[in-house]
Amino acid sequence: DAKTTQPNSMESNEEEPVHLPCNHSTISGTDYIHWYRQLPSQGPEYVIHGLTSNVNNRMASLAIAEDRKSSTLILHRATLRDAAVYYCILIITGGFKTIFGAGTRLFVKA
Amino acid sequence: GAVVSQHPSRVICKSGTSVKIECRSLDFQATTMFWYRQFPKQSLMLMATSNEGSKATYEQGVEKDKFLINHASLTLSTLTVTSAHPEDSSFYICSARAKSIQTEAFFGQGTRLTVV
Repeated sequence: DAKTTQPNSMESNEEEPVHLPCNHSTISGTDYIHWYRQLPSQGPEYVIHGLTSNVNNRMASLAIAEDRKSSTLILHRATLRDAAVYYCILIITGGFKTIFGAGTRLFVKA
Repeated sequence: GAVVSQHPSRVICKSGTSVKIECRSLDFQATTMFWYRQFPKQSLMLMATSNEGSKATYEQGVEKDKFLINHASLTLSTLTVTSAHPEDSSFYICSARAKSIQTEAFFGQGTRLTVV
């Protein structure tokens, strides 16, 4: 399974945008880039996913590099409720395992 | 989005007893379910992959006789921690993949197991 690399932690001020980076240099053509986040004592929550093009939804935006070797999750206006661990994961269409890396712990300051 | 429900959300059991955790897909058929465990401040560690009607596939280092997995239907998988010990105390999370949505995984809310 292709691996992802993320910074251990990041800090943001409330109401400001946050850019969470993820490197996946060994990504294959069939890997979808997924982002999940996990609040304390909860299961992971889906945030967004994409294959090649940038994606937007009500929660966030996903910017994917042209060579697909990196991506960035963008939270446009961080709130205190966005404080969580964010995981960047590669999922193969029809594949089995979803392997989690260490993720990025996002701290949001009021 | 699709919903995966885990039960119970918290359980405390005595050392030596067995505990069963249920994972249900409420509004879709889950051909594949995954079980993870998570220790404090750590990431999720995949324990096993469960396919409906067949034996689970365990990750290296996970004892299949200790962590019994049953995936009897397309909406239910169970994890039984047998002869639990304090070191089995952890946060257990299930995940399900829908036959119709192959690119996304849906997660349960997790079960906090404490063995005393």
